[in-house]
This record gives sequence, C-alpha cells and structure tokens, in this order.
Amino acid sequence: DTAVSQTPKYLVTQMGNDKSIKCEQNLGHDTMYWYKQDSKKFLKIMFSYNNKELIINETVPNRFSPKSPDKAHLNLHINSLELGDSAVYFCASSQDRYNEQFFGPGTRLTVL
Amino acid sequence: QKEVEQDPGPLSVPEGAIVSLNCTYSNSAFQYFMWYRQYSRKGPELLMYTYSSGNKEDGRFTAQVDKSSKYISLFIRDSQPSDSATYLCAMRAAGNQFYFGTGTSLTVIP
Repeated sequence: DTAVSQTPKYLVTQMGNDKSIKCEQNLGHDTMYWYKQDSKKFLKIMFSYNNKELIINETVPNRFSPKSPDKAHLNLHINSLELGDSAVYFCASSQDRYNEQFFGPGTRLTVL
Repeated sequence: QKEVEQDPGPLSVPEGAIVSLNCTYSNSAFQYFMWYRQYSRKGPELLMYTYSSGNKEDGRFTAQVDKSSKYISLFIRDSQPSDSATYLCAMRAAGNQFYFGTGTSLTVIP
C-alpha cells in the first residue's frame, strides 16, 4: 500500500546510455514532481505535472524528458547519461500544486 | 541569493536536548511553510505544515514562523537518537511552487 513508489531503487549505468525511472502514486493526487538531490542533500525541482499537463519545467538539460501517461504516473527518461547526472532522483505527489508533497523512496543513479 | 537559506550543520546534540533548526528566506510573499525529515537513504517525509505566522505544536515538535524577520524554526524537545536525520524546510507564496532549503543534518547522541 505504498503511497508513492519508484522503480528502480538503484540504477548503475555507463556514460552515454539512456535510462528511465518510473513513478506511481496511489493517493489520487493531481500533481506529481521530479526532484534531483545532490550529494549535499540539496533538493532541486526538475519538473511538475498537474493532471498530465506540464506546469513546471526548470532549467534542466533537454536530455531529461518527463512523461505522464496518466495522473497517477510520471516517468523520467534520461538520454546520453553523463557523470554529473549521478544523484538521487525523487518523485513526489500532492493533492494539487499548492499542497504539501509526499515523496517516494528515491532512485539512486550512478553513472560510471 | 537563494530563496531559502538553511545551515547545513552538521548539528550534534546529546539525547534529551532541545534542538533548534532554522531557515531564513528573502521573499516576503512566502506564507506556507513546511518541515520535512529525511532519514539516510530514504525520501523526505512531512513533519509540519504551517500557514502564515505563529506556532504549531505536534508532540515533541514545534514549528515557529516569524514573518517580520523572515525566519522559521523547528524545535524538537527531549530529542531522541531516532530524531537523527536531515531536516529540510520548504516554503512558498500563494499560487506558487515550493522552494526547499538545503537541509540540516542532525545527530542525537545517546
């Protein structure tokens, strides 16, 4: 009965590869987010979708592409992975774009 | 200047101490404030959510907002080793996205 789930939990890959991270929430929320947390624990918002519509698109390399097939799912695809992409990626959801956010367990991405 | 400033610590206290965690901000329009706790290798979990100024208490935790000073605090009474985590503040203006602090790492020593 996990509220916000992400897969995979760990991802180790080579530079130049393409990878995807999946997120699902069963809270009935309208808004979902992707955050990147670096080694210093700074949480930086990347994207947000509200009812499948992109509402926040921060300055992120266009190698990162979110996709929301429905309001319960928000996936993140990353092309041509670089060393600097190594971080923990968190998915989150909220009832709407103004309410408190609930986070998933994170996906630890390591690019070698 | 960052929207939200938070001392990263690390902060180390003995068990039973009162802990004070703080964030300052620059945007006077911020009126919604949150505190998250993040254990190592876990996602952040919401601790407190407050609106505008004043205090809010929940068990051993008290959130305080001073809008005139653009300063928010989280107090933890009778701190326990299980409180050892990183604490993140977050805040937003009406109709706007949340901005997170960088987090303060807390260790409570038994």
